[in-house]
Amino acid sequence: GAGVSQSPSNKVTEKGKDVELRCDPISGHTALYWYRQSLGQGLEFLIYFQGNSAPDKSGLPSDRFSAERTGGSVSTLTIQRTQQEDSAVYLCASSLAGQSNEKLFFGSGTQLSVL
Amino acid sequence: QKEVEQDPGPLSVPEGAIVSLNCTYSNSAFQYFMWYRQYSRKGPELLMYTYSSGNKEDGRFTAQVDKSSKYISLFIRDSQPSDSATYLCAMNKNGAQKLVFGQGTRLTINP
Repeated sequence: GAGVSQSPSNKVTEKGKDVELRCDPISGHTALYWYRQSLGQGLEFLIYFQGNSAPDKSGLPSDRFSAERTGGSVSTLTIQRTQQEDSAVYLCASSLAGQSNEKLFFGSGTQLSVL
Repeated sequence: QKEVEQDPGPLSVPEGAIVSLNCTYSNSAFQYFMWYRQYSRKGPELLMYTYSSGNKEDGRFTAQVDKSSKYISLFIRDSQPSDSATYLCAMNKNGAQKLVFGQGTRLTINP
């Protein structure tokens, strides 16, 4: 498709389990971002990729969170030993080159529920 | 204190009304100012973009930035039920990739 694709759209897991969230950006976009949106909150930055490198991972809340990007395309966000406070919508976005004034194209997100 | 403050609402107005949405911010380094619109169960989409201070108009939408007051606004004229969504302000420093978002204002336009 032409847009940013995220899977799964919904994920329910038990506390303590690991989860993997996938993002497929727009073809040709070198920049990829992960944000988290908790209920009633704005978007919280997690990590930024330029190609396969992550020059800014300052928003990852703990070492349970990690992300990688391969082939300059698909990215996976992994949360280990999930906690209830990890419940949120995880949004992925991509942009053409990662310039400060670029338009971000967002996917529809993965709704994560940790029971 | 958050870098960007936005009243979460909810805000409910009749169709045809003029809507004013606002954000304040504390970091004078912000140079790029955006408004994103988010429909339920969808990702945000860019609605308006402004660089530094000034006004920008696009159809029924007008974005204003007042850097001296650290205050930005989005005006919607002749509001329509299809404008019902959450509106998020976002801003960025020159050379940075990390957009800082407001909490979002949930807007409902009643027919």
